[in-house]
Amino acid sequence: DAKTTQPPSMDCAEGRAANLPCNHSTISGNEYVYWYRQIHSQGPQYIIHGLKNNETNEMASLIITEDRKSSTLILPHATLRDTAVYYCIVRVGRGAGGTSYGKLTFGQGTILTVHP
Amino acid sequence: DAGITQSPRHKVTETGTPVTLRCHQTENHRYMYWYRQDPGHGLRLIHYSYGVKDTDKGEVSDGYSVSRSKTEDFLLTLESATSSQTSVYFCAISDRDLGPQHFGDGTRLSIL
Repeated sequence: DAKTTQPPSMDCAEGRAANLPCNHSTISGNEYVYWYRQIHSQGPQYIIHGLKNNETNEMASLIITEDRKSSTLILPHATLRDTAVYYCIVRVGRGAGGTSYGKLTFGQGTILTVHP
Repeated sequence: DAGITQSPRHKVTETGTPVTLRCHQTENHRYMYWYRQDPGHGLRLIHYSYGVKDTDKGEVSDGYSVSRSKTEDFLLTLESATSSQTSVYFCAISDRDLGPQHFGDGTRLSIL
């Protein structure tokens, strides 16, 4: 699986958009970008994923650059409840071989703190 | 949240004792996973299951075994617990190999 690089921490004002960057310059053509978050002492929560097109759901938007070497998770209107560690994960795709069966490899993530 | 229940939520036990953690799902998902989370290591996959009675090892499987006799339950067993297995254990489920994984609330296990 490709390695990801995220800033260790970020701050955001409540009500503003939070833009969390992720670099994955060694991503392969069949690898997906996944975003999860973990609020203190809870299990990780799935946010969104994509291959090469931008994606949007009720929680967030995912913007993937054309060369796929980086992406940005956007929380359009951050709230205090969005304070969490955010993980960007690049995941092996189907047909890549091995028996990973969709293993998720979590790095250190970005600690997002939303301020009042 | 997805219908995932982990039990127990907290457990303290002594070195050398057997311990079984249970993950129960009500989503009828095929794939189930056990992870452990430790400071400085993030989440690491212990074992996973891709169907009833179909399981395989993850990256940190030594000292752990699993069983899946029915779709809804995935058990993680520490045959003889050691202090290095003190951790927070998370179960996850997915309805397809590349699908999003949904996590339970975790079991905090302390081995004294």
